[in-house]
Amino acid sequence: AQSVTQPDIHITVSEGASLELRCNYSYGATPYLFWYVQSPGQGLQLLLKYFSGDTLVQGIKGFEAEFKRSQSSFNLRKPSVHWSDAAEYFCAVAFATGGGNKLTFGTGTQLKVEL
Amino acid sequence: DGGITQSPKYLFRKEGQNVTLSCEQNLNHDAMYWYRQDPGQGLRLIYYSQIVNDFQKGDIAEGYSVSREKKESFPLTVTSAQKNPTAFYLCASSSPGLNTGELFFGEGSRLTVL
Repeated sequence: AQSVTQPDIHITVSEGASLELRCNYSYGATPYLFWYVQSPGQGLQLLLKYFSGDTLVQGIKGFEAEFKRSQSSFNLRKPSVHWSDAAEYFCAVAFATGGGNKLTFGTGTQLKVEL
Repeated sequence: DGGITQSPKYLFRKEGQNVTLSCEQNLNHDAMYWYRQDPGQGLRLIYYSQIVNDFQKGDIAEGYSVSREKKESFPLTVTSAQKNPTAFYLCASSSPGLNTGELFFGEGSRLTVL
Protein backbone atom coordinates (compact mmCIF):
# COMPACT_ATOMS: atom_id res chain seq x y z
CA ALA A 1 0.00 0.00 0.00
CA GLN A 2 1.15 3.49 -0.71
CA SER A 3 2.08 5.74 2.17
CA VAL A 4 3.43 9.21 2.76
CA THR A 5 5.64 10.29 5.66
CA GLN A 6 6.20 13.83 6.82
CA PRO A 7 8.72 13.45 9.62
CA ASP A 8 8.44 16.98 10.98
CA ILE A 9 5.23 17.72 12.87
CA HIS A 10 6.16 21.33 13.66
CA ILE A 11 8.75 23.66 12.15
CA THR A 12 9.55 27.22 13.20
CA VAL A 13 11.54 29.56 10.98
CA SER A 14 12.30 33.25 11.07
CA GLU A 15 10.80 35.48 8.42
CA GLY A 16 13.23 35.80 5.53
CA ALA A 17 14.92 32.48 6.27
CA SER A 18 14.87 29.54 3.89
CA LEU A 19 12.51 26.64 4.36
CA GLU A 20 12.56 22.95 3.56
CA LEU A 21 9.71 20.59 4.45
CA ARG A 22 10.43 16.92 4.11
CA CYS A 23 8.25 14.30 2.45
CA ASN A 24 9.00 10.62 1.81
CA TYR A 25 6.73 8.17 0.08
CA SER A 26 6.40 4.45 -0.26
CA TYR A 27 4.96 3.25 -3.54
CA GLY A 28 5.67 0.50 -6.03
CA ALA A 29 5.75 2.64 -9.15
CA THR A 30 6.54 6.24 -9.98
CA PRO A 31 3.97 8.19 -8.05
CA TYR A 32 2.16 11.37 -8.74
CA LEU A 33 3.18 13.79 -5.99
CA PHE A 34 1.55 16.89 -4.58
CA TRP A 35 1.97 19.55 -1.94
CA TYR A 36 -1.07 21.26 -0.47
CA VAL A 37 -1.34 24.12 2.05
CA GLN A 38 -4.09 24.65 4.61
CA SER A 39 -4.80 27.83 6.57
CA PRO A 40 -6.57 27.37 9.94
CA GLY A 41 -10.18 26.27 9.59
CA GLN A 42 -10.00 26.25 5.81
CA GLY A 43 -9.82 23.76 2.99
CA LEU A 44 -6.63 22.81 1.18
CA GLN A 45 -5.03 24.61 -1.75
CA LEU A 46 -2.66 23.00 -4.25
CA LEU A 47 0.87 24.44 -4.18
CA LEU A 48 2.49 22.25 -6.83
CA LYS A 49 2.48 18.78 -8.39
CA TYR A 50 4.87 16.36 -10.05
CA PHE A 51 3.84 13.85 -12.71
CA SER A 52 6.93 13.31 -14.83
CA GLY A 53 9.75 15.13 -16.54
CA ASP A 54 11.84 17.79 -14.85
CA THR A 55 12.36 16.74 -11.24
CA LEU A 56 12.34 20.32 -9.98
CA VAL A 57 8.84 21.76 -10.09
CA GLN A 58 7.75 25.31 -9.43
CA GLY A 59 4.54 26.17 -7.67
CA ILE A 60 2.55 29.11 -6.48
CA LYS A 61 3.64 31.58 -3.80
CA GLY A 62 7.32 31.06 -4.59
CA PHE A 63 7.45 27.40 -3.54
CA GLU A 64 9.33 24.66 -5.34
CA ALA A 65 9.84 20.94 -4.78
CA GLU A 66 12.35 18.40 -6.01
CA PHE A 67 11.56 14.78 -6.78
CA LYS A 68 14.41 12.42 -5.89
CA ARG A 69 13.63 8.89 -6.94
CA SER A 70 16.70 7.40 -5.24
CA GLN A 71 15.58 8.81 -1.89
CA SER A 72 11.82 8.42 -2.45
CA SER A 73 11.48 12.05 -1.48
CA PHE A 74 9.62 15.13 -2.62
CA ASN A 75 10.77 17.96 -0.36
CA LEU A 76 9.19 21.39 -0.48
CA ARG A 77 11.40 24.47 -0.43
CA LYS A 78 11.16 28.22 -0.34
CA PRO A 79 14.19 30.55 -0.40
CA SER A 80 12.71 33.27 1.82
CA VAL A 81 9.70 32.69 4.05
CA HIS A 82 7.05 35.35 4.59
CA TRP A 83 4.89 35.63 7.71
CA SER A 84 1.83 34.77 5.57
CA ASP A 85 3.33 31.34 4.85
CA ALA A 86 2.42 30.20 8.37
CA ALA A 87 0.02 27.30 7.78
CA GLU A 88 -0.10 23.52 7.68
CA TYR A 89 1.48 21.76 4.72
CA PHE A 90 0.50 18.36 3.40
CA CYS A 91 2.36 16.11 1.01
CA ALA A 92 0.22 13.65 -0.96
CA VAL A 93 0.69 10.76 -3.39
CA ALA A 94 -1.75 9.44 -5.95
CA PHE A 95 -2.29 6.50 -8.25
CA ALA A 96 -4.74 6.13 -11.13
CA THR A 97 -8.20 4.90 -10.30
CA GLY A 98 -9.56 4.99 -13.83
CA GLY A 99 -11.15 8.36 -13.59
CA GLY A 100 -10.49 9.95 -10.25
CA ASN A 101 -7.67 11.28 -8.12
CA LYS A 102 -7.49 9.17 -4.99
CA LEU A 103 -4.84 10.86 -2.88
CA THR A 104 -3.08 9.55 0.19
CA PHE A 105 -1.98 12.38 2.46
CA GLY A 106 0.82 12.67 4.95
CA THR A 107 0.10 13.77 8.50
CA GLY A 108 1.11 17.35 7.80
CA THR A 109 3.78 19.80 8.96
CA GLN A 110 2.71 22.88 10.89
CA LEU A 111 4.84 25.88 9.95
CA LYS A 112 5.27 28.77 12.34
CA VAL A 113 7.00 31.95 11.18
CA GLU A 114 8.71 34.18 13.71
CA LEU A 115 8.83 37.89 12.92
CA ASP B 1 -17.38 32.01 -9.05
CA GLY B 2 -16.99 28.27 -9.32
CA GLY B 3 -16.21 26.28 -6.23
CA ILE B 4 -17.27 23.84 -3.57
CA THR B 5 -19.74 24.76 -0.86
CA GLN B 6 -19.95 22.80 2.35
CA SER B 7 -22.63 23.31 4.96
CA PRO B 8 -23.02 23.72 7.79
CA LYS B 9 -19.61 25.07 8.81
CA TYR B 10 -20.18 24.05 12.42
CA LEU B 11 -22.48 21.32 13.64
CA PHE B 12 -23.22 19.89 17.06
CA ARG B 13 -25.04 16.66 17.64
CA LYS B 14 -25.91 14.40 20.51
CA GLU B 15 -24.67 10.86 20.69
CA GLY B 16 -26.92 8.45 18.84
CA GLN B 17 -28.08 10.96 16.26
CA ASN B 18 -27.40 10.79 12.54
CA VAL B 19 -26.24 13.97 10.85
CA THR B 20 -25.87 14.87 7.17
CA LEU B 21 -23.17 17.18 5.82
CA SER B 22 -23.85 18.90 2.54
CA CYS B 23 -21.37 19.29 -0.31
CA GLU B 24 -22.26 21.08 -3.56
CA GLN B 25 -19.94 21.92 -6.45
CA ASN B 26 -20.47 24.01 -9.59
CA LEU B 27 -17.15 23.12 -11.23
CA ASN B 28 -18.73 20.46 -13.45
CA HIS B 29 -16.38 17.87 -11.96
CA ASP B 30 -17.20 14.19 -12.27
CA ALA B 31 -15.35 13.01 -9.16
CA MET B 32 -16.11 13.95 -5.57
CA TYR B 33 -14.53 12.93 -2.28
CA TRP B 34 -15.03 13.09 1.46
CA TYR B 35 -12.06 13.29 3.80
CA ARG B 36 -11.90 13.32 7.56
CA GLN B 37 -9.19 15.37 9.28
CA ASP B 38 -8.06 14.80 12.85
CA PRO B 39 -5.11 16.57 14.54
CA GLY B 40 -1.85 14.78 13.81
CA GLN B 41 -3.44 12.29 11.43
CA GLY B 42 -3.67 14.21 8.20
CA LEU B 43 -6.59 13.56 5.87
CA ARG B 44 -8.18 10.14 5.58
CA LEU B 45 -10.49 9.18 2.73
CA ILE B 46 -14.03 8.21 3.75
CA TYR B 47 -15.85 7.78 0.42
CA TYR B 48 -15.37 8.84 -3.17
CA SER B 49 -17.50 8.94 -6.27
CA GLN B 50 -16.22 9.04 -9.82
CA ILE B 51 -19.61 9.32 -11.49
CA VAL B 52 -23.26 9.87 -10.67
CA ASN B 53 -25.02 6.94 -8.97
CA ASP B 54 -21.71 5.25 -8.15
CA PHE B 55 -19.40 5.53 -5.15
CA GLN B 56 -16.70 3.52 -3.41
CA LYS B 57 -15.52 3.13 0.15
CA GLY B 58 -12.31 4.79 1.16
CA ASP B 59 -10.03 3.86 4.02
CA ILE B 60 -12.39 4.69 6.90
CA ALA B 61 -15.95 4.21 5.58
CA GLU B 62 -17.39 2.43 8.64
CA GLY B 63 -20.15 4.47 10.26
CA TYR B 64 -20.61 6.73 7.23
CA SER B 65 -22.88 6.69 4.20
CA VAL B 66 -23.10 8.75 1.02
CA SER B 67 -25.25 9.21 -2.06
CA ARG B 68 -24.55 10.63 -5.50
CA GLU B 69 -27.87 11.30 -7.18
CA LYS B 70 -26.70 14.46 -8.92
CA LYS B 71 -23.35 15.43 -10.37
CA GLU B 72 -23.25 18.58 -8.27
CA SER B 73 -24.02 17.02 -4.90
CA PHE B 74 -22.32 14.45 -2.65
CA PRO B 75 -23.84 14.50 0.85
CA LEU B 76 -22.21 12.59 3.71
CA THR B 77 -24.23 11.08 6.55
CA VAL B 78 -22.45 10.42 9.81
CA THR B 79 -24.44 7.67 11.46
CA SER B 80 -24.76 6.70 15.09
CA ALA B 81 -22.54 3.72 14.28
CA GLN B 82 -19.53 6.00 13.89
CA LYS B 83 -17.74 5.61 17.22
CA ASN B 84 -15.75 8.82 17.21
CA PRO B 85 -17.42 11.30 14.85
CA THR B 86 -16.00 14.55 16.24
CA ALA B 87 -13.71 15.81 13.47
CA PHE B 88 -13.23 18.26 10.63
CA TYR B 89 -14.78 16.99 7.39
CA LEU B 90 -13.56 18.11 3.99
CA CYS B 91 -15.28 17.63 0.66
CA ALA B 92 -13.32 17.80 -2.59
CA SER B 93 -13.86 17.38 -6.31
CA SER B 94 -11.71 16.82 -9.36
CA SER B 95 -11.84 16.44 -13.10
CA PRO B 96 -11.40 12.90 -14.37
CA GLY B 97 -7.90 11.62 -14.95
CA LEU B 98 -4.69 12.22 -13.09
CA ASN B 99 -3.39 14.63 -15.70
CA THR B 100 -5.16 17.35 -13.83
CA GLY B 101 -3.90 16.17 -10.48
CA GLU B 102 -5.73 18.76 -8.49
CA LEU B 103 -8.39 18.31 -5.85
CA PHE B 104 -10.52 21.37 -5.18
CA PHE B 105 -11.57 21.55 -1.54
CA GLY B 106 -14.46 23.12 0.27
CA GLU B 107 -13.88 25.05 3.48
CA GLY B 108 -14.90 22.15 5.67
CA SER B 109 -17.51 21.28 8.25
CA ARG B 110 -16.57 20.85 11.90
CA LEU B 111 -18.72 18.27 13.67
CA THR B 112 -18.75 18.07 17.45
CA VAL B 113 -20.56 15.33 19.31
CA LEU B 114 -21.76 16.39 22.74
